[in-house]
Amino acid sequence: KNEVEQSPQNLTAQEGEFITINCSYSVGISALHWLQQHPGGGIVSLFMLSSGKKKHGRLIATINIQEKHSSLHITASHPRDSAVYICAVTANYGGATNKLIFGTGTLLAVQP
Amino acid sequence: DGGITQSPKYLFRKEGQNVTLSCEQNLNHDAMYWYRQDPGQGLRLIYYSQIVNDFQKGDIAEGYSVSREKKESFPLTVTSAQKNPTAFYLCASRVQGMGGYTFGSGTRLTVV
Repeated sequence: KNEVEQSPQNLTAQEGEFITINCSYSVGISALHWLQQHPGGGIVSLFMLSSGKKKHGRLIATINIQEKHSSLHITASHPRDSAVYICAVTANYGGATNKLIFGTGTLLAVQP
Repeated sequence: DGGITQSPKYLFRKEGQNVTLSCEQNLNHDAMYWYRQDPGQGLRLIYYSQIVNDFQKGDIAEGYSVSREKKESFPLTVTSAQKNPTAFYLCASRVQGMGGYTFGSGTRLTVV
């Protein structure tokens, strides 16, 4: 079982829909990251969370540390939101270096 | 603008040849990382460096080598010992021990 699990793996939505992508993890963490990967491959960091909720434009990220769960929400989705969304955690293994562990990503397609 | 530059974007090599992927950052970040991405899998850590002239093996270091002679540069060499080198390679950096990660745009390596 992966230490970081995302759902769904694939998601198709109509423009304007509210979208939720979920991430569950099984390790102790110091932070959780939501990343966006466009078809060209480059990755952009959307959020880094250690508690609560963050909002940036139409994107909202929440985390529940007790339940080891995070969600990424997209309001009023648009075709330009089509991308792979990746959840990653900075695992707290102790020592000097905390490892970044990635989920396998959610492929989102927003249709006009 | 500060960021990470990976070059080239696409690279083709014959089997048995060593190839070096470039990663340069002007963010003054201490830590730099190389990840490999394969279809259907999360990114996996190849090597990382927390400081100049020091680097550590990640989860899948076999068949790869790195150097960190300058803070700005962390080149990755894919050697002929890497049995399955065709993949997408991402470089990342961050301020050591804190903060979010900045990712490059990636290099897609195809070995024929």
